[in-house]
Amino acid sequence: QMQLQESGPGLVKPSETLSLTCTVSGGSIISSSYYWGWVRQPPGKGLEWIGSIYYTGSTYYNPSLKSRVTISVDTSKIQFSLRLTSVTAADTAVYYCARRASGSGTPLGAFDIWGQGTMVTVSS
Amino acid sequence: QSALTQPASVSGSPGQSITISCTGTSSDVGGYNYVSWYQHHPGKAPKLMIYEVSNRPSGVSNRFSASKSGNTASLTISGLQTDDEADYYCSSYTSSSTYVFGTGTKVTVL
Repeated sequence: QMQLQESGPGLVKPSETLSLTCTVSGGSIISSSYYWGWVRQPPGKGLEWIGSIYYTGSTYYNPSLKSRVTISVDTSKIQFSLRLTSVTAADTAVYYCARRASGSGTPLGAFDIWGQGTMVTVSS
Repeated sequence: QSALTQPASVSGSPGQSITISCTGTSSDVGGYNYVSWYQHHPGKAPKLMIYEVSNRPSGVSNRFSASKSGNTASLTISGLQTDDEADYYCSSYTSSSTYVFGTGTKVTVL
């Protein structure tokens, strides 16, 4: 059973860079059937898609965050990461990593496996 | 990209049926059959309930059903149970090769 686990600092200062890692267990990140991505939920608000990456490194980002976001993948470590630069209080949120299905025989376009989420607070 | 529009809250008594709408545009919900629905209990990971408009993953109760008409997708929960009390989100693929979530609906079991 594949599992995803987020890790990273819970507190980031304004204007600095938020960095999170998602570790994949119980399966391979190298798959033609899935993308790997990030979703966040600010306190009291809804879910927001941040972006996704394919194991080859191809990326897709939310246009509203594109200038500040980088998602990368390390297939050897079975991890993928999120970097969000120049953070403000508006970036305070629970950050989830999630697997998105994209291949035949999978729930196409759906986020079928999620991590438990990690709270990141932006504050000085 | 703008979030898909969902009602802020929907409520029903145990055993009743409720329907949650998810309205987008022809560039997302109306243009693709990659609409999915998620159940989210606070403090837990979201759970996939419906994919490709109307398909249920293995293990999801058949009390959950969904459909789409034009730019609006809908999720119906029949035989409402107390465990169904949660936040529900729709999601859609978009013409920009991105994904967008709905604003979320809080389901209350009276």
